[in-house]
Amino acid sequence: DAGVIQSPRHEVTEMGQEVTLRCKLISGHNSLFWYRQTMMRGLELLIYFNNNVPIDDSGMPEDRFSAKMPNASFSTLKIQPSEPRDSAVYFCASSLKGGGPQHFGDGTRLSIL
Amino acid sequence: AQKITQTQPGMFVQEKEAVTLDCTYDTSDPSYGLFWYKQPSSGEMIFLIYQGSYDQQNATEGRYSLNFQKARKSANLVISASQLGDSAMYFCAMIPSARNNNDMRFGAGTRLTVKP
Repeated sequence: DAGVIQSPRHEVTEMGQEVTLRCKLISGHNSLFWYRQTMMRGLELLIYFNNNVPIDDSGMPEDRFSAKMPNASFSTLKIQPSEPRDSAVYFCASSLKGGGPQHFGDGTRLSIL
Repeated sequence: AQKITQTQPGMFVQEKEAVTLDCTYDTSDPSYGLFWYKQPSSGEMIFLIYQGSYDQQNATEGRYSLNFQKARKSANLVISASQLGDSAMYFCAMIPSARNNNDMRFGAGTRLTVKP
């Protein structure tokens, strides 16, 4: 079975540019999570969705960040405009049911110059 | 406060020996879940094992077992017969409340190095 698929694996871009990260959930999973990992702050939950509906976006750092889930199997995380401090590894994860294990994608390593 | 603590920034273990990675947690909700993840140098996050707060027995998955001591609020990971491929960062995580059962909190991680 395919796991959570994220793209791109690596992204390097200049500050001010729009960045779009993509995530495909495991088939049948109904919860979707976006995390950011940095050395300083560890793993931080940015936002999560249940059944395509955003439930908690309190972890989204600023209005420059937005996330959508246009259908049950796909999500995007957009940063516009990007800044150097957004550089991090961004993970997408999905789970079958609330309270259960979250299965992570391989992450997108984002570098903003 | 609902938090999870890993006090060992780094651990070393000899190949084929067992190692225990410590994790303590704090939550006031009686219904919660505990998880361990492995992050090798390649960066992916791999789910290892899960323990529910009402589970009577300690969880086991192959060489991984979770030493769940509820009264002490600890959920240590035990890796038996360590292999070189076990060298990685290990994160303890908790969903602290059944009322918000998607709110997963992660510890700071422990870097395990297996020596040949």
